[in-house]
Amino acid sequence: DVKVTQSSRYLVKRTGEKVFLECVQDMDHENMFWYRQDPGLGLRLIYFSYDVKMKEKGDIPEGYSVSREKKERFSLILESASTNQTSMYLCASSLYRAVEAFFGQGTRLTVV
Amino acid sequence: GDSVTQMEGPVTLSEEAFLTINCTYTATGYPSLFWYVQYPGEGLQLLLKATKADDKGSNKGFEATYRKETTSFHLEKGSVQVSDSAVYFCALGDPPNAGGTSYGKLTFGQGTILTVHP
Repeated sequence: DVKVTQSSRYLVKRTGEKVFLECVQDMDHENMFWYRQDPGLGLRLIYFSYDVKMKEKGDIPEGYSVSREKKERFSLILESASTNQTSMYLCASSLYRAVEAFFGQGTRLTVV
Repeated sequence: GDSVTQMEGPVTLSEEAFLTINCTYTATGYPSLFWYVQYPGEGLQLLLKATKADDKGSNKGFEATYRKETTSFHLEKGSVQVSDSAVYFCALGDPPNAGGTSYGKLTFGQGTILTVHP
């Protein structure tokens, strides 16, 4: 089975902190994604990557950056956390020709 | 741009009732369509998918048919169980480019909370 693992289930950070959310997949997938989930808004794409060191902005990239130094790992970085970034963050991966993605269990981030 | 609209929730049903969750989409090209399910405290799991018009996806008693003429992908189940209580997301995937590659980006609906009572 494909396994996508996010490093934390719950995080509490202070406003202005730099926050790292880590995601690792074990199936050699080329594509990796970070989504944000908010009630009534569904999931929205923040950033995605289709290869090591490659990244593309999604629909809501403002306030975020990403890093993909190794194929299996995709990090989401909040440069200076703000309260409006309190949310559930979901990582996903897929094969480059695939039409379906596999999701991690999510990280619920609270910024106080 | 691409978009997905799901019926407003939450939906509350009694066990063994019939379920329909409506989903319509707007997209260019021929996207793949998906239903994902999120059980309490968990990430998203793929429930079913359809990759071309008139395809029917099915899994665990759930079904959805890709209707290009009505741009719809409604989720149905004939008899729901308490264990089906979850959030259901309709999504469309960006279609492959001319080279056959898809980045696998998904556009999601807002989600529908389903609660099934005994």
